[in-house]
Amino acid sequence: RKEVEQDPGPFNVPEGATVAFNCTYSNSASQSFFWYRQDCRKEPKLLMSVYSSGNEDGRFTAQLNRASQYISLLIRDSKLSDSATYLCVVDNSGNTPLVFGKGTRLSVIA
Amino acid sequence: DAGVIQSPRHEVTEMGQEVTLRCKPISGHNSLFWYRQTMMRGLELLIYFNNNVPIDDSGMPEDRFSAKMPNASFSTLKIQPSEPRDSAVYFCASKGFAANYGYTFGSGTRLTVV
Repeated sequence: RKEVEQDPGPFNVPEGATVAFNCTYSNSASQSFFWYRQDCRKEPKLLMSVYSSGNEDGRFTAQLNRASQYISLLIRDSKLSDSATYLCVVDNSGNTPLVFGKGTRLSVIA
Repeated sequence: DAGVIQSPRHEVTEMGQEVTLRCKPISGHNSLFWYRQTMMRGLELLIYFNNNVPIDDSGMPEDRFSAKMPNASFSTLKIQPSEPRDSAVYFCASKGFAANYGYTFGSGTRLTVV
């Protein structure tokens, strides 16, 4: 089983739609969680950290379910500019490298 | 803060040639990571350094790959000799002491070996 698994997509959604991505991780001792965004031909950039209580940043909501070992990202009112690949990232400890999923591709269509 | 700086942005080279990729991490960051990204395999960790010391190079695909970090502000990834299957985007990333802030990536070097 891969350490971090994501549905590769693509998710093709119309502008204004709500879309959700899920990600599962295999290490129950994982400590920190993140969502990164990567635009075509660009580097990954931190979108948001994911906290146990869930957190929101504008149209983006991240949730963590430790019991089921999954993380979710919800995007409301999708914009064309949200089109990108979203990477689920897990930190197993502060001293080991982050583990990246392969990403979920989102295309928002006018 | 200039961020993580990588050079060159693009490199096209012939099979068998030596390739050197360069990275300047964010000042004050104590960890540096080299990744390779392809469509098929996603982001793969090649090697990482803590306080300029290589910690884990198990991701380096072959002896043709080597990496150095002679000081806190500079690292190189060298491929010698290069092969077409090395074609990929190579990213450098750095991280500070705080664990909850993820990594900052450089813009990457797009390597094409023909």
